[in-house]
Amino acid sequence: QVQLQESGPGLVKSSETLSLTCTVSGGSITTHYWNWIRQPPGKGLEWIGYMSYSGTTNYNPSLKSRVTISADTSKTRFSLKLSSVTAADTAVYFCARVSLVAGTFDPWGQGTLVTVSS
Amino acid sequence: QSALTQPASVSGSPGQSISISCTGTSSDIGAYNLVSWYQQHPGKAPKLMVYEGSKRPSGVSNRFSGSKSGNTASLTISGLQAEDEADYYCCSHADSGTWVFGGGTKLTVL
Repeated sequence: QVQLQESGPGLVKSSETLSLTCTVSGGSITTHYWNWIRQPPGKGLEWIGYMSYSGTTNYNPSLKSRVTISADTSKTRFSLKLSSVTAADTAVYFCARVSLVAGTFDPWGQGTLVTVSS
Repeated sequence: QSALTQPASVSGSPGQSISISCTGTSSDIGAYNLVSWYQQHPGKAPKLMVYEGSKRPSGVSNRFSGSKSGNTASLTISGLQAEDEADYYCCSHADSGTWVFGGGTKLTVL
C-alpha cells in the first residue's frame, strides 16, 4: 500500500524559495504521476502541478512561472520548489498521486503547513 | 483557470439526503468525464469518494453517488450520518492537461 509523507521547513521568509519533499513508501515514483496541491488556512484546495519520473511536468498556469516539481534519483522522492513566495503562499501543502486515466488523486500525504513570514 | 463553483454550505438531518453541485465550463467538467469528489475532515487529508463522475472506490459507502450533466456535476449523500459532516470538494480535468478544484462545500449534519 503506497503511502506519502511531506517534509520540509515550516517557515519561509518572504521573497525566498519554498522547498518541500514528498517521500513515497510502499512503491516508487517511476510509474504514475505525482502532484502537489495546497490549501491556504480556511480555504479550498488548489492544484499546483504534477510530474512523471520520465520528466513530464504540468503546472497550474497561475503558478507556472514560480514552480518546479522534480524527481529525486532515489526513485522514492519528489520535490516542490516555489520561488519568490509571499504571505499568499502560506498554506498546507499536500503531495498526492494521480491517475490520469481515472482522474483520481489517491493516495494523499497528511499535509504540511508552510508559513511565509515577512 | 478558475475554480469550479460549489455552494459554500449545505445541511441536512440524519437519515435525509443532500446534494452538492459543482459547476464548471466547457473547458473542464463539460469536456471530460473526469470529475472526482473528495471528503475532508478538519486537519485531515482529502479522501476520494467518487471518480469518473459516478464510480465509487472500494470501501466507500454506496450512500455516496455522483452524476454529471453538461457543465455541472453533483454529489448526493443519502441516509445522512453524523460522520458525513465534513468539507467536500469536486475536481475536474481541464484543458491543457491541468486540474481544477471546486471552492469546497461545508456539510453540516443537524
